[in-house]
Amino acid sequence: GENVEQHPSTLSVQEGDSAVIKCTYSDSASNYFPWYKQELGKGPQLIIDIRSNVGEKKDQRIAVTLNKTAKHFSLHITETQPEDSAVYFCAASILWGSGNTGKLIFGQGTTLQVKP
Amino acid sequence: GAGVSQSPRYKVAKRGQDVALRCDPISGHVSLFWYQQALGQGPEFLTYFQNEAQLDKSGLPSDRFFAERPEGSVSTLKIQRTQQEDSAVYLCASSLYTSSGNTIYFGEGSWLTVV
Repeated sequence: GENVEQHPSTLSVQEGDSAVIKCTYSDSASNYFPWYKQELGKGPQLIIDIRSNVGEKKDQRIAVTLNKTAKHFSLHITETQPEDSAVYFCAASILWGSGNTGKLIFGQGTTLQVKP
Repeated sequence: GAGVSQSPRYKVAKRGQDVALRCDPISGHVSLFWYQQALGQGPEFLTYFQNEAQLDKSGLPSDRFFAERPEGSVSTLKIQRTQQEDSAVYLCASSLYTSSGNTIYFGEGSWLTVV
């Protein structure tokens, strides 16, 4: 089955700096890669996602890149702010259809701390 | 409400007790998932429903775990004879039944502590 590895486990940056979190996946059939932000005591919240037919996607300060050949995808946050501090999870799945449920396989999480 | 709603938010159970956790998915969402999240870990898949049909229960850790969604909307996750290792956050998630998108929305979770 699918296995997702996420690095680093913790990341501390100064406000205004960029942050990069990296994930690798094992199943070449995976074609959907969302990123979730989880604040303490809350459920994961989708912040950005990318499908395998796209190499890069950007939404304001957040961007995700995907390298299908290397089975590697990354989250980039620019101009970090203290409110970006949270745990970030990458995930991989096979989009629903053709017998697939679309279930997500998560990485282990990265705790991002943005220092003011 | 507009999001996935879970209850109770917090539950303390004595070892050996049975617990039931409820999930109200987003209205109209056909797909419903249950995940288990241990402290400091990523969520792990437990089971999946498409309407009332449980199509995947490969992640349920033992036969003490049982989930149902009898009318295709509200779902209940039941844990029988709870053990300390069952202590975790149980997350419910739902998504729209469409081949063009797979955005999965999570609830706030039910925090279970077994003492």
